[in-house]
Formats: sequence, structure tokens, C-alpha cells
Amino acid sequence: TQLLEQSPQFLSIQEGENLTVYCNSSSVFSSLQWYRQEPGEGPVLLVTVVTGGEVKKLKRLTFQFGDARKDSSLHITAAQPGDTGLYLCAGLTGKLIFGQGTTLQVKP
Amino acid sequence: GAVVSQHPSWVICKSGTSVKIECRSLDFQATTMFWYRQFPKQSLMLMATSNEGSKATYEQGVEKDKFLINHASLTLSTLTVTSAHPEDSSFYICSANTGGASNQPQHFGDGTRLSIL
Repeated sequence: TQLLEQSPQFLSIQEGENLTVYCNSSSVFSSLQWYRQEPGEGPVLLVTVVTGGEVKKLKRLTFQFGDARKDSSLHITAAQPGDTGLYLCAGLTGKLIFGQGTTLQVKP
Repeated sequence: GAVVSQHPSWVICKSGTSVKIECRSLDFQATTMFWYRQFPKQSLMLMATSNEGSKATYEQGVEKDKFLINHASLTLSTLTVTSAHPEDSSFYICSANTGGASNQPQHFGDGTRLSIL
């Protein structure tokens, strides 16, 4: 069974702080996706990383795919209250395998 | 962009009732749709893969007779929770991808919150 270990599961920080969320697996994925989900809504895709070592930036969010395509990270710079939500990594192997999720709370 | 619509968004019903949830791809055809279940503040757990014109593929531990899936057209998949009980209360989400290849991005519906009294 392919598993994605996501950490931390809960994170509460002050506005302006930086944070990193990690997603690790012993399996290789053809690609890895990051989603953000608001309460009562479906997940919204933020980014897909495909190539080992790939780095993608989305405003204050930086996503990195590990060289071996087994792990990924999401770094948020100068977090804002609007960043609050559930962040999910998901590895693609014909179907999406989701990590446990990281609940982020950014306090003003 | 690709839009996936789920209906209803929220349903409350009595124990023993069967509940049908619809998942529609509004502006694209989807040969494959996926059904997930999500408990509060937890991640999405894949329940089954819905294949147009054939039987669904269920994940280990998911009861086929409990969660009936029908994918009768390229734009519609339905999940029926049969004889629902309070433990079936959850957030159910469907997704579909726009292409035939499995590496195409999946687009998610907004989910259905099911509450069984």
C-alpha cells in the first residue's frame, strides 16, 4: 500500500510567519499535487510537480518535488489569515493517494 | 475550466434511508470518476473508481453493496448509500479528470455533506 506521510498535521501561527509542510513516502510517484480545501468545499488544485527536483512558485507559496520523486514540500512565506485552510498533498499512481492533510491556522 | 458539480450539497435523512448523490462533469466528458469520503479535519479517502459503462472498482474495506456506484454516461456518476446509518454520516466528494490518461489533473466537486439521524 502506498502511503503519503504529511506533517505537521496541525499548525497555528501568527500572521507574517513562514512555514513548511512536508509530504513523504517510500514510494515513487509519477507526479505529486498540492491542494487547498476550505470547510464544506471540495479541494482546489494549487500545483502539480512532475520532475524530480522541480520547484514551482505560486505567489508566496513555493513547492518542491524531491529528486527521487518520493517527497515534496510546501513553503509559505509571510503567511496571511487568508492562507488558513486544509492543505493536502496527493501522489498520482493511476489514482490519487492523499496525505493526512495539514490544518493551517494563521492568526491576525 | 473543467467543472464538476455535485448534488445535493447537503442531505439529512433518517436511519435506514437510501441516499443518492450525483456527480456531473458539466463541460467535459469523464470516462472515469472517483468517489472519496472525508471525516472532519481529516484527509480524503478514496472509496471507489467509477468507470463509464462498467463496474466500479472499490478500495479495500469499502462495501460494494453498501455504496452502490453507477456511471451510466460520460458526464454522470451516482453514489447511493443504501440503508444509511449514523456511522455513514460524512462528507462525500467526487472528482473527474478531463483526459483519458491517468496523469491528467482531477477536478473536484464541492462535496455532499450527509447526516444520518
